[in-house]
Amino acid sequence: DAGVTQSPTHLIKTRGQQVTLRCSPISGHKSVSWYQQVLGQGPQFIFQYYEKEERGRGNFPDRFSARQFPNYSSELNVNALLLGDSALYLCASSFKGYRGLTSGRADSYEQYFGPGTRLTVT
Amino acid sequence: ELKVEQNPLFLSMQEGKNYTIYCNYSTTSDRLYWYRQDPGKSLESLFVLLSNGAVKQEGRLMASLDTKARLSTLHITAAVHDLSATYFCAVDRPFFGNEKLTFGTGTRLTIIP
Repeated sequence: DAGVTQSPTHLIKTRGQQVTLRCSPISGHKSVSWYQQVLGQGPQFIFQYYEKEERGRGNFPDRFSARQFPNYSSELNVNALLLGDSALYLCASSFKGYRGLTSGRADSYEQYFGPGTRLTVT
Repeated sequence: ELKVEQNPLFLSMQEGKNYTIYCNYSTTSDRLYWYRQDPGKSLESLFVLLSNGAVKQEGRLMASLDTKARLSTLHITAAVHDLSATYFCAVDRPFFGNEKLTFGTGTRLTIIP
């Protein structure tokens, strides 16, 4: 089975531009999360989507937005790019991701990471 | 707010030696993960620890979890060069409505021949 896929692999943009990153989850997974990893740091949570609805948002400005499509793939959009947005953007998928769910198999929530998109802003 | 701390941040080891990486987290968590990351690459899942006292081993790596102390350890036995990488621990709380992973700062491990 194919794992999580992301496109593009690398991207170079200039300050002020807009960028769209894409993610396809593992077949059957309904939850997609996005993380930003700046060089030398651990990944930081940006968004989670489950069944096309936003289920969680990290501490990122409104320039960051995302959506999930009926086929569960997802896009992350970043507007008005800053130099500080240069990072590895990771997408992760899981079978479930429903906030407040108190039962179910623990492995339903395990997140599987894609290869990432390396964004460089100049 | 859930916080995760790792130490040491940098670790340089000789081949054949043993060492331990520590991961402390601030609140009760459902699960503790260990990941490996090679330079420029994505995260590779190593272990998922679900309960107090859980111990898992794969090759020269062994991870354990003490939920009462809010501490996990990743022990490296007889290190080899191939283990050079950055190691992250992370926690989440899906059964408490928090599915996001909170990562530690990472430990950059370098194995010296």
